[in-house]
Parts: sequence; C-alpha cells; structure tokens
Amino acid sequence: DVVMTQSPLSLPVTLGQPASISCRSSQSLVYSDGNTYLSWYQQRPGQSPRRLIYKVSNRDSGVPDRFSGSGSGTDFTLKISRVEAEDVGVYYCMQGTHWPPWTFGQGTKVEIK
Amino acid sequence: EVQLAQSGAEVKKPGESLKISCQGSGYSFSTDWIAWVRQMPGKGLEWMGIIYPDDSQTKYSPSFQGQVTISVDKSIRTAYLQWSSLKASDSAMYYCARQSSGFGSWGQGTLVTVSS
Repeated sequence: DVVMTQSPLSLPVTLGQPASISCRSSQSLVYSDGNTYLSWYQQRPGQSPRRLIYKVSNRDSGVPDRFSGSGSGTDFTLKISRVEAEDVGVYYCMQGTHWPPWTFGQGTKVEIK
Repeated sequence: EVQLAQSGAEVKKPGESLKISCQGSGYSFSTDWIAWVRQMPGKGLEWMGIIYPDDSQTKYSPSFQGQVTISVDKSIRTAYLQWSSLKASDSAMYYCARQSSGFGSWGQGTLVTVSS
C-alpha cells in the first residue's frame, strides 16, 4: 500500500499569515493515464470532510483562491496564502493512483495562535 | 446539486447486526463509485471499501475485508454498509463519499455507538 506522510501534524498560524502543509507518498503518484491523483481535504470541527483540491492543483468549486496545491511525483504541498478563522480544522492529503486502497495522510491540525 | 444522504445515528450492543445507508442524488448514481470511510473518535480517515453501483463490483481494504459488507440497490440509488456482529471497536463515524478524481462529495456521516 502507498503510505502518505504529512508534516507538520500540528500547525499554529497567525490570522492573515500564510500556511503550508507537506505531503509525501511512498511511491510516485503518476498514473498510467498521465494524471496524478493526489487530493486535499479540509475537515472543520464537527463537519464532514470537504475536498479542496484534486489532481494536485485543481481547486473545487466554491473553494477560496487562497488555497492552492502543487507538487509532483512523491512530493506535494497545500498552501493557504492568508489564513482566516474559518480555515481552522484538520487537513488531509489522499492518493487515488494506486488503488485499492485509497490512502490518506495522518492529518494536519491547523489552529489559530 | 450532488447530495449523499446518510441514515441516522445508531446505538447497538456488541454482537448485534447493523446496516447503514447512503442515498445519492443529483448525479448519475450508477456510474460513479461510492466509498465508505471510517473515522474513529479523535482519529483520522480510513478508507474501508468501495462499490460500483452499475454492476455491484466491490473492493475492500484488507483491514476491513471480512469485517463488513458493502452493497448497493441502484433502483433506489442507495449504498449500504453492514455488520453481522458488531464489536465495541466498531464505534466510529462512518462516511460515504462519491469517487471522482478523489472523493468529491461526502455524506453527513453516520455515528455508530456500540456499547453494552
């Protein structure tokens, strides 16, 4: 199975400042069709997960443009350009290239300093 | 609008059986895989398994193979997750999610509590 490793696991941030979460996979996530099936999810307290980014860098409808995804191969990053109070929650990366199983990272808890 | 509506919270005793549901609307139900994801209290997300409604093809995580059964009734656009004999360790929130370049839509979750 592909192992997804996120860092940091806890990220205290100041409102209005940028934040960055790293996600590394144990093998390349490039699929035979040329796509890379790496997605990012936000889970606010008490809510269901919500996808923010799919195929590395594509923002879902309704996701603020302060969220961006980048990376390739085995190394990926989610960036929040200016953290807002509503961004508090846990963020997960997930790979869907080598399935089954789909595998998630451990989660990164974003909180306001 | 794509929606996945899950059945309500359940409280069960160890050894009892349970079947929870997830009804999809607003998209072509038969041709998108539906996954089940477990979240134990205070923990992360774990993929359990997935089903293709059109032909009921199913794949399980090795961690959940033999522990749960995933099924579907495409005539009523509903996927199911069931246990034949619950354990206390099955207490968790369970989410269904529609597979489309990752999990683009999620249900609201079904909280399962197993306690004697």
